[in-house]
Amino acid sequence: KNEVEQSPQNLTAQEGEFITINCSYSVGISALHWLQQHPGGGIVSLFMLSSGKKKHGRLIATINIQEKHSSLHITASHPRDSAVYICAVRSGSGGGADGLTFGKGTHLIIQP
Amino acid sequence: ETGVTQSPTHLIKTRGQQVTLRCSSQSGHNTVSWYQQALGQGPQFIFQYYREEENGRGNFPPRFSGLQFPNYSSELNVNALELDDSALYLCASSLNGPDLEAFFGQGTRLTVV
Repeated sequence: KNEVEQSPQNLTAQEGEFITINCSYSVGISALHWLQQHPGGGIVSLFMLSSGKKKHGRLIATINIQEKHSSLHITASHPRDSAVYICAVRSGSGGGADGLTFGKGTHLIIQP
Repeated sequence: ETGVTQSPTHLIKTRGQQVTLRCSSQSGHNTVSWYQQALGQGPQFIFQYYREEENGRGNFPPRFSGLQFPNYSSELNVNALELDDSALYLCASSLNGPDLEAFFGQGTRLTVV
């Protein structure tokens, strides 16, 4: 069973700061997801990656397969970025039979 | 807007009752996964349906069951509700292939009293 650990659990920063959220997992994976969850529950998929780096707007996600580690970065953070950021991994060969294993999330607050 | 819709959005049930939650998946997606998210925790995998058959299951008792219909929409049924079943229930649809990106619904908030 894959164990997914995120750090930090809680993060408060000022608007404009560069934010880094970390995720590590214990067992090899076929894909890693970064998700965003706002109060009220709905989850939005930010990135799915299995190697390297992806960028979308102010968000950047990287993954190091050998070290079993991924980071999510937010540049020029804004109060609307305040949310819970969740790392989730899919173990195995990628056939889809296994559900995602989620971290507990990082609660990010960006103050104006 | 992901195209995945769940109903109802909120529900209150009494311990011992049964509940059915519904999920309409994104167009073209033949795989639906259900997750339970307790307050302050990350979601936990309940099960997955692919082309109308259960295709994987997490560590949940048999009173959690599901269905997937020919149009790939899905139901989650929970019998003999317990207080600890109070949670946000999320469904996610995806294609069961190399592209495993999952699209999540807004969730159903179930409260058992």
